[in-house]
Amino acid sequence: ILNVEQSPQSLHVQEGDSTNFTCSFPSSNFYALHWYRWETAKSPEALFVMTLNGDEKKKGRISATLNTKEGYSYLYIKGSQPEDSATYLCASMDTGRRALTFGSGTRLQVQP
Amino acid sequence: KAGVTQTPRYLIKTRGQQVTLSCSPISGHRSVSWYQQTPGQGLQFLFEYFSETQRNKGNFPGRFSGRQFSNSRSEMNVSTLELGDSALYLCASSFSPPGLATDTQYFGPGTRLTVL
Repeated sequence: ILNVEQSPQSLHVQEGDSTNFTCSFPSSNFYALHWYRWETAKSPEALFVMTLNGDEKKKGRISATLNTKEGYSYLYIKGSQPEDSATYLCASMDTGRRALTFGSGTRLQVQP
Repeated sequence: KAGVTQTPRYLIKTRGQQVTLSCSPISGHRSVSWYQQTPGQGLQFLFEYFSETQRNKGNFPGRFSGRQFSNSRSEMNVSTLELGDSALYLCASSFSPPGLATDTQYFGPGTRLTVL
């Protein structure tokens, strides 16, 4: 059974700060890593799907990197804005089970 | 294109009762997955359906069951409710068959179940 861990659990930053979070997952039998953003009272929204070691994805001010050999992914937000306030979830999929296993998330609050 | 819809949005039941939740995927999507979120826990995978067949199952007791209809709509059922079943239940749909690494899942707004 996969164990996906995210850190930190929560983060408070000021508007304009850049920030990053970590997602750790077992590196054996890795298949894919997904990042989601979940705003309060809304549905989780897909940010990135990453499969290859060294993958880097970018969407506006948000980017992510993937290291499958050591089992971690970083999510970066450049120049945080209040609308970035949300819980950021990562989920890993292995070659055996082929189902997403989610971490507990990092809750980001951006103060104006 | 309409998003994933879930009904009802809120539900209150008592211990021992059973409950059925419904999920309508995005038009054209054939995979539907169900997740449970309880306070302090990440999303826990319940099961996944594709073409009316359960293709994958998480580590939940047999009280949790589901099905998918020919129009891809899915229902999940929880029998003999326990207090610990109080949770947010999310469904997600995707276009491709289960386990396709690059396929994005689109989530519904969830059903908040409270068991008294």
